[in-house]
Amino acid sequence: GENVEQHPSTLSVQEGDSAVIKCTYSDSASNYFPWYKQELGKRPQLIIDIRSNVGEKKDQRIAVTLNKTAKHFSLHITETQPEDSAVYFCAADNFNKFYFGSGTKLNVKP
Amino acid sequence: NAGVTQTPKFQVLKTGQSMTLQCAQDMNHEYMSWYRQDPGMGLRLIHYSVGAGITDQGEVPNGYNVSRSTTEDFPLRLLSAAPSQTSVYFCASRLQSTGELFFGEGSRLTVL
Repeated sequence: GENVEQHPSTLSVQEGDSAVIKCTYSDSASNYFPWYKQELGKRPQLIIDIRSNVGEKKDQRIAVTLNKTAKHFSLHITETQPEDSAVYFCAADNFNKFYFGSGTKLNVKP
Repeated sequence: NAGVTQTPKFQVLKTGQSMTLQCAQDMNHEYMSWYRQDPGMGLRLIHYSVGAGITDQGEVPNGYNVSRSTTEDFPLRLLSAAPSQTSVYFCASRLQSTGELFFGEGSRLTVL
């Protein structure tokens, strides 16, 4: 089956800096790659996603890039704010089975 | 729309007991799924369904059963609970034509 690895497991940045979280996947048949944000005690919520026929997608301060050849995709958050502090999960959709990374705890220091 | 509704939010079981986690969605989503979330391990797919009458196994299906008799409901059954099933469980649904998973609020299960 698919294997999704996510790095780093924790990330601490100063407010206003950029944050980058990286994921790799193993199965080239995976075709949809969402990113979820989960605040403490809450449900995961989609922040951005990308399909395998697109290389990059941006939504305000958040962007995702996908390199199909290398089988990796990354989340970029610019101008970080304290409210960006949360756990972020990447995922890969492999024939209706979602495989999630182990999560990155982002701490944005004011 | 209520979205995805899970019950109960909290449950404590003794080893060997059975229980059902309920999941309902009012968005007419074809796809429904169950995940467990354990510290440091992200979310792992237990079972999923692409429509009424159709279910399939995910990454960690052992010890869990599901059924999908209607589009709206997708209950998860633990037949004989074990301490290893202590976890937070999330139900999620989506339209097959789109990607976004909509999650319920989660159910925290403790097995003693």
